Amino acid sequence: GIQVEQSPPDLILQEGANSTLRCNFSDSVNNLQWFHQNPWGQLINLFYIPSGTKQNGRLSATTVATERYSLLYISSSQTTDSGVYFCAARGGSNYKLTFGKGTLLTVNP
Amino acid sequence: SQTIHQWPATLVQPVGSPLSLECTVEGTSNPNLYWYRQAAGRGLQLLFYSVGIGQISSEVPQNLSASRPQDRQFILSSKKLLLSDSGFYLCAWSLVLAGEGSEQYFGPGTRLTVT
Repeated sequence: GIQVEQSPPDLILQEGANSTLRCNFSDSVNNLQWFHQNPWGQLINLFYIPSGTKQNGRLSATTVATERYSLLYISSSQTTDSGVYFCAARGGSNYKLTFGKGTLLTVNP
Repeated sequence: SQTIHQWPATLVQPVGSPLSLECTVEGTSNPNLYWYRQAAGRGLQLLFYSVGIGQISSEVPQNLSASRPQDRQFILSSKKLLLSDSGFYLCAWSLVLAGEGSEQYFGPGTRLTVT
């Protein structure tokens, strides 16, 4: 099945800084999603982005399907951005959404 | 708008006891439903998915089973819990399995501790 790798595994920022999280996948995808898991465990949908670029406030994401990677940009980070960010992808006829191991983001005041 | 509920929120059960976790979706018809487990650490693993009432597909062989008795209800069960069943269980739904509309949305989860 498809492999999903995220980097970096951990990231510590000062409030106001920008960051880029990366997701590499091993095969062509028909579904790619970015999630934020808050401290209570809730997975919050950030982007559905199998290709192209999307923006939502301070967050934006780009997926380059031909090169098999996706990037999540966080600008002007806030302490509430802290948590684990997951990339998940599905490829081919497989209905399974495969998750990466996540990036643990800590934003300090 | 669509809403997904899970209960209980937390559960502590002894080894060998049965398990029943429930997930319900509101605001949509004939959703595709999924059960995931997040063990210690971060990765999420798909356990089961369902495309309709009574239709269950299992992704990994294990001590758990799933059922879908109603269109918007998905149940995760076990007859005898193992220590290794501890984890955070998440239910999700999507409109379709693939393509546009296949975005998955997750419930709040159930934290299970087997003692």
